[in-house]
Amino acid sequence: KAGVTQTPRYLIKTRGQQVTLSCSPISGHRSVSWYQQTPGQGLQFLFEYFSETQRNKGNFPGRFSGRQFSNSRSEMNVSTLELGDSALYLCASSQGTLNTGELFFGEGSRLTVL
Amino acid sequence: GIQVEQSPPDLILQEGANSTLRCNFSDSVNNLQWFHQNPWGQLINLFYIPSGTKQNGRLSATTVATERYSLLYISSSQTTDSGVYFCAVGVLGSSNTGKLIFGQGTTLQVKP
Repeated sequence: KAGVTQTPRYLIKTRGQQVTLSCSPISGHRSVSWYQQTPGQGLQFLFEYFSETQRNKGNFPGRFSGRQFSNSRSEMNVSTLELGDSALYLCASSQGTLNTGELFFGEGSRLTVL
Repeated sequence: GIQVEQSPPDLILQEGANSTLRCNFSDSVNNLQWFHQNPWGQLINLFYIPSGTKQNGRLSATTVATERYSLLYISSSQTTDSGVYFCAVGVLGSSNTGKLIFGQGTTLQVKP
């Protein structure tokens, strides 16, 4: 059974640009959640999607958005990139909702903003 | 909101030693997991353990939900155990939504 797949693995952008990250969950998993990891703030919850609906959102500005498709694949978008958006972005999937089920993480997308 | 505290923040061991990592949380939770972050950044599942005790090889974990803590035991540590260990708890919010809150992690270094 394939694991959680995130693309791209690495990317470099400049300030003001936008970026789209993709996450394919484990087959059969309906929940996809996203996290940002930085040395200063640790791992922070961005949002969760379940059956194409955003169920919850963390404390991030509106520049951070996401969506989930009917096949459970999810994308997150960051617009007007800032230097502080440089981080490892991790995606996780679970069968049930994220607060009740076991989560499985992808390898992450490492974003550098110059 | 709920607070998740892990201790110790850093731990250095000689190969073969045992260790205990602790995760305290400030409110009732309905999900608790332990992860090991590998050098490439991926979070590897160790235990899904909202309550009770589980064992997997040299690792075991215990969660006492009523006292709001969880422990991760590593026995006969190996250099490959090095990395950052995270505890994450799931909380149920309003409208039956939820979020996962991570502790700050314990950085373990096992020396040969």
